[in-house]
Amino acid sequence: GQNIDQPTEMTATEGAIVQINCTYQTSGFNGLFWYQQHAGEAPTFLSYNVLDGLEEKGRFSSFLSRSKGYSYLLLKELQMKDSASYLCAVRLPPIYSGAGSYQLTFGKGTKLSVIP
Amino acid sequence: DVKVTQSSRYLVKRTGEKVFLECVQDMDHENMFWYRQDPGLGLRLIYFSYDVKMKEKGDIPEGYSVSREKKERFSLILESASTNQTSMYLCASSFRQGGIYEQYFGPGTRLTVT
Repeated sequence: GQNIDQPTEMTATEGAIVQINCTYQTSGFNGLFWYQQHAGEAPTFLSYNVLDGLEEKGRFSSFLSRSKGYSYLLLKELQMKDSASYLCAVRLPPIYSGAGSYQLTFGKGTKLSVIP
Repeated sequence: DVKVTQSSRYLVKRTGEKVFLECVQDMDHENMFWYRQDPGLGLRLIYFSYDVKMKEKGDIPEGYSVSREKKERFSLILESASTNQTSMYLCASSFRQGGIYEQYFGPGTRLTVT
C-alpha cells in the first residue's frame, strides 16, 4: 500500500516561518505535489518537485529528498490568509505503460493556523 | 483559466436512492478523477479515467460506478446510496502526460445521505 505522513495540525505566528514535513513510502514515484486547501474550498496547486532539491516560488518553497522519501513545504512571512490545510501528494507511475494515467496519492493534510 | 465545475454544491438524498454527480472540465484534459474527502481520512481516490469510455478503480471504488461518454464530462454514480457515503466529493482533471501537469479541482459536492 501507499503511505504518506504529515502532521495533523500546526500553529504559527503571523510574519514567522513554518515548515510542514511530509514523508512517503509508495510503490513508485513520479513527482511530489503540494496543494493548499482553504476551508470549504477546492485544493489549489502550490508546488511540484520531481528531482532532489529546493524549488522556490515567492514566499513558498518546497524541498524533496527521494532517497529519504521526504519533502517539506516552507512558508515564509506568514500571513493570516495562509491559514489553510496543506496537502502532500505523491504521483504514482501509470498502471501500465503506453496508455495508462498518472494518479495521485494524498496525505491526510496538515491544518495550519496562523495567529496574530 | 481552467475550469472544473460540478453539478451541485450541496445534495441531500435518502438511503437507497440512485445518485448522479456530474463533473465537467473545459481544458481538454484527458484525465479525470473522483475523490471523496472525509475529516481525518484526507482525499481518497474513488475512480479515474484517462480517456473516453476508459475507467480505472482507485482506492475505494466499492459502492460507486463511473461513466465517461464525452471527454469533458465524468459522472460518479451511487447505485444505492448509503449513510456511509455522506461526504464531500471532489472532481479533478489533468493532462495525461507527467511533468508538471497538476490536477485541477472542482468546488466539490457535499452529499448527505439520510
